[in-house]
Amino acid sequence: DQQVKQNSPSLSVQEGRISILNCDYTNSMFDYFLWYKKYPAEGPTFLISISSIKDKNEDGRFTVFLNKSAKHLSLHIVPSQPGDSAVYFCAPGGSSGSARQLTFGSGTQLTVLP
Amino acid sequence: NAGVMQNPRHLVRRRGQEARLRCSPMKGHSHVYWYRQLPEEGLKFMVYLQKENIIDESGMPKERFSAEFPKEGPSILRIQQVVRGDSAAYFCASSPWGQGVNTEAFFGQGTRLTVV
Repeated sequence: DQQVKQNSPSLSVQEGRISILNCDYTNSMFDYFLWYKKYPAEGPTFLISISSIKDKNEDGRFTVFLNKSAKHLSLHIVPSQPGDSAVYFCAPGGSSGSARQLTFGSGTQLTVLP
Repeated sequence: NAGVMQNPRHLVRRRGQEARLRCSPMKGHSHVYWYRQLPEEGLKFMVYLQKENIIDESGMPKERFSAEFPKEGPSILRIQQVVRGDSAAYFCASSPWGQGVNTEAFFGQGTRLTVV
């Protein structure tokens, strides 16, 4: 029972272009959504989050969009840089029940080509 | 400002042995979470603990796995009688508040368990 799906296991983008990473979820109890970035042999690091009361949150080159009706969120990175190459995990969470702990997607490996 | 500390970083065990993984949360954090990442998969929630209490262990296998977070000392994830399928990276995360609050959890670097 996959509550969180990141359907693209990998994505390659040219440096300077936009990277768009997608995430779909099924649990309607999720009410906040986090993105984590992970380099090999390291733990995930928090990148950006969005609450369900918003549909967009921006932090520098990173913007997360949330479409609650479609149960879909996306992370945009503009412009992409080689240092952004990592695995990106979508991690929805919530305040009660089955959403109470962060649930991670399977991740998308982003490769930014110089 | 020490982050979440996990040790050991790498652990090799023979089938049937016990594995003990330790996690010291960030200073001031009283909520600890354990996640497991199997090869080619995402992170799977295992257990959520507060000091001396298991809050949610819905992701823990029913047998051989246990976790504790004592009043003093690190949180321990214990795997008895390890099997090859237990080989994975085990990540610990901590947060200052419970996950009923919109806040991120901070992760350690993980313990890579290899069962031979």
